[in-house]
Amino acid sequence: AQKITQTQPGMFVQEKEAVTLDCTYDTSDQSYGLFWYKQPSSGEMIFLIYQGSYDEQNATEGRYSLNFQKARKSANLVISASQLGDSAMYFCAMRENAGGTSYGKLTFGQGTILTVHP
Amino acid sequence: NAGVTQTPKFQVLKTGQSMTLQCAQDMNHEYMSWYRQDPGMGLRLIHYSVGAGITDQGEVPNGYNVSRSTTEDFPLRLLSAAPSQTSVYFCASRERGGLGNEQFFGPGTRLTVL
Repeated sequence: AQKITQTQPGMFVQEKEAVTLDCTYDTSDQSYGLFWYKQPSSGEMIFLIYQGSYDEQNATEGRYSLNFQKARKSANLVISASQLGDSAMYFCAMRENAGGTSYGKLTFGQGTILTVHP
Repeated sequence: NAGVTQTPKFQVLKTGQSMTLQCAQDMNHEYMSWYRQDPGMGLRLIHYSVGAGITDQGEVPNGYNVSRSTTEDFPLRLLSAAPSQTSVYFCASRERGGLGNEQFFGPGTRLTVL
């Protein structure tokens, strides 16, 4: 089974509108972390936001917020007031089993390409 | 700080050739790793290291070797390049431990094997 599933290969949004990028995950761990990364056409990986499994409140970072629904195992990224510069590939990722000397690798979803129209 | 640096940025190899992708970080991070990115598959972990002298296999280690003689450097060696290794390679580093520690990525190396 896929650990991280992003079901939207591509999404379109009008500039200044909000958009939600979906991410569901699969884990039997109680302690895990969820990340979103942005990859613009230039190719670099840019960290956006993090949510820990024990965090009671949804994470927010500027225009980015993470809609964390633990029972549904979903961690959707919400981008408010979209800008042309938000056009990029977006990856959801999960880290399990980290702590002590355990490495805690990141497992990535397949990504969603977001296009912002003027 | 330069962060995570990778060289080269682009490389074309012929099948059977060997080469080393270089990775260095100046943040004194104990943890380093190599990922490959293929279309439609996200990033997959090749090898990782939790400190100098300690390396381990990730999800797709076949055809690659790593070593970690210093905290700063984590080179990835392709022993005998194959077309299936055509990909974009990312090196990453982060502080030891902690679920939420941010993973810093290098700019990537785009490798084509003919």
